[in-house]
Amino acid sequence: KAGVTQTPRYLIKTRGQQVTLSCSPISGHRSVSWYQQTPGQGLQFLFEYFSETQRNKGNFPGRFSGRQFSNSRSEMNVSTLELGDSALYLCASAKDTSTDTQYFGPGTRLTVL
Amino acid sequence: GIQVEQSPPDLILQEGANSTLRCNFSDSVNNLQWFHQNPWGQLINLFYIPSGTKQNGRLSATTVATERYSLLYISSSQTTDSGVYFCAVDWGSTLGRLYFGRGTQLTVWP
Repeated sequence: KAGVTQTPRYLIKTRGQQVTLSCSPISGHRSVSWYQQTPGQGLQFLFEYFSETQRNKGNFPGRFSGRQFSNSRSEMNVSTLELGDSALYLCASAKDTSTDTQYFGPGTRLTVL
Repeated sequence: GIQVEQSPPDLILQEGANSTLRCNFSDSVNNLQWFHQNPWGQLINLFYIPSGTKQNGRLSATTVATERYSLLYISSSQTTDSGVYFCAVDWGSTLGRLYFGRGTQLTVWP
């Protein structure tokens, strides 16, 4: 079956703009998590959604937000982009609980100029 | 929060060599996963291993939950094994959240 897909794969924005990233989980998976990866901070958890509800949120400013739709697809939005938001954004899906294996998508590489 | 430490940070091998990567964690965990990040950035699942030993081809992993560590063994390394290996744990009641180590950068030379 198809894996986790993320769109777009690459994105270039300028400071102050906003961006929306999309993640489609594996069919039948209801949990979607988002992570930010940077060389300095490594992989950091942004938030997790399950059945359209945010269950958990990491330590990121309110400029970072997300949502999940009834078909389990998820979007994350970053408003008022800063240079430090340049990163690889990864989403992961899991079948149900946090004890299930998480499968990652290919990521969206965001560059903020 | 929980601390996840991986060692060594960097590993350089010749093709055919064997290697052991280690992951230590500071508290009891619900589960542990090993990933390989390919050059394009995607995290590929290797093992879901909260305890015990698993093998998949040239790779095997062992987690000793009571002593809070996990090991990833790579035998007969190939150049395609190059990349960053991460261990990640699910800890406490934070549903859906994985805590990652900083990774081991493996380079395999032909």
